[in-house]
Amino acid sequence: DVKVTQSSRYLVKRTGEKVFLECVQDMDHENMFWYRQDPGLGLRLIYFSYDVKMKEKGDIPEGYSVSREKKERFSLILESASTNQTSMYLCASSSDRDYADTQYFGPGTRLTVL
Amino acid sequence: GNSVTQMEGPVTLSEEAFLTINCTYTATGYPSLFWYVQYPGEGLQLLLKATKADDKGSNKGFEATYRKETTSFHLEKGSVQVSDSAVYFCAQKTSYDKVIFGPGTSLSVIP
Repeated sequence: DVKVTQSSRYLVKRTGEKVFLECVQDMDHENMFWYRQDPGLGLRLIYFSYDVKMKEKGDIPEGYSVSREKKERFSLILESASTNQTSMYLCASSSDRDYADTQYFGPGTRLTVL
Repeated sequence: GNSVTQMEGPVTLSEEAFLTINCTYTATGYPSLFWYVQYPGEGLQLLLKATKADDKGSNKGFEATYRKETTSFHLEKGSVQVSDSAVYFCAQKTSYDKVIFGPGTSLSVIP
């Protein structure tokens, strides 16, 4: 079974702090994604990566950056956290070998910025 | 542009009731269609999928049929259980696009 893990389930940070969210997948997937999930808005794509050291902006990249130094790890960085970045963050991965591009999700990190 | 629309929740049903959650899509190509489910406190997981017109996806008693003529992929289950309480997301992916998720429909099943 594919396993996607995220470094924390719950995180509390203060405004202005630099925040790192880590995601690791163990199935050699090429593609990795970061979403945020907010009530009434569903999932919104922040960034995605289809290869090591490659990244593409999603629908809401402002205030975020990402890093993918190794194939299995995809990090989301909040350079200076703000209260409007309080949200649930979901990481996902998928394989180029799967035509339908099924995504496999981690359990999520609930971030609160005070 | 491509989009996914699904019925607003929350939906509350009694155990053993029939479930339908409507989903329609707009797409420039011929997308693959998915239903994902999110149980309380967990991430999303794939429930079922269909990759071409008239395909029926099924899993855990849930079914959905890819209807190209009505651009729909409605989720159905004949008899829901309390353990089906979750948020359900309809999604699509075309050949050259990312996965697009609907807003989610919350389902509560009461004994």
